[in-house]
Amino acid sequence: EDQVTQSPEALRLQEGESSSLNCSYTVSGLRGLFWYRQDPGKGPEFLFTLYSAGEEKEKERLKATLTKKESFLHITAPKPEDSATYLCAVRVLSGSARQLTFGSGTQLTVLP
Amino acid sequence: DTGVSQDPRHKITKRGQNVTFRCDPISEHNRLYWYRQTLGQGPEFLTYFQNEAQLEKSRLLSDRFSAERPKGSFSTLEIQRTEQGDSAMYLCASSWPDSSYNEQFFGPGTRLTVL
Repeated sequence: EDQVTQSPEALRLQEGESSSLNCSYTVSGLRGLFWYRQDPGKGPEFLFTLYSAGEEKEKERLKATLTKKESFLHITAPKPEDSATYLCAVRVLSGSARQLTFGSGTQLTVLP
Repeated sequence: DTGVSQDPRHKITKRGQNVTFRCDPISEHNRLYWYRQTLGQGPEFLTYFQNEAQLEKSRLLSDRFSAERPKGSFSTLEIQRTEQGDSAMYLCASSWPDSSYNEQFFGPGTRLTVL
């Protein structure tokens, strides 16, 4: 069974304190790893897609990387507005399946 | 605003009642997905449409749940004889056909509370 595990469950950072979030996965055939940001009471907001090991994507203070077993979301010099739950999800090679399998998320709090 | 929209945003109902939610996807997307999210968890897949055809259903989708996308545009998700365990955020997402763009874009969700 495909599994996605995110760690830590919660992370509190001071403004400017860089850190990384982890997403490890066990899947039968990866067709993409996705990062989303979710604010309380809202739907997930798309951030990045990674397709192959070694790939990196950047957007403002966020950088996502991918290996064969895990992905990292690096946050450089975070600001309070980066506070949110960050979700990773995988899409796998499985017949006609098109759905995403999500992890439980990392709740990030950035203190001013 | 050309994003995914969902209606209503909040629904409170009594156990045993039927409820229906609507999703309007991004206009050029032909794929539409329904997910359910409970507190502290990531979204869980329920069902998926390509145009008007329902191509995939999760085992989470019991007989009390039904989804339609009659003209390949908007979709509805109906829950019959609601139970307290149905309380959750119901999310709709849409995407382009398979190409280089596999991203799913989510709507704001419908928060269901079953009393």
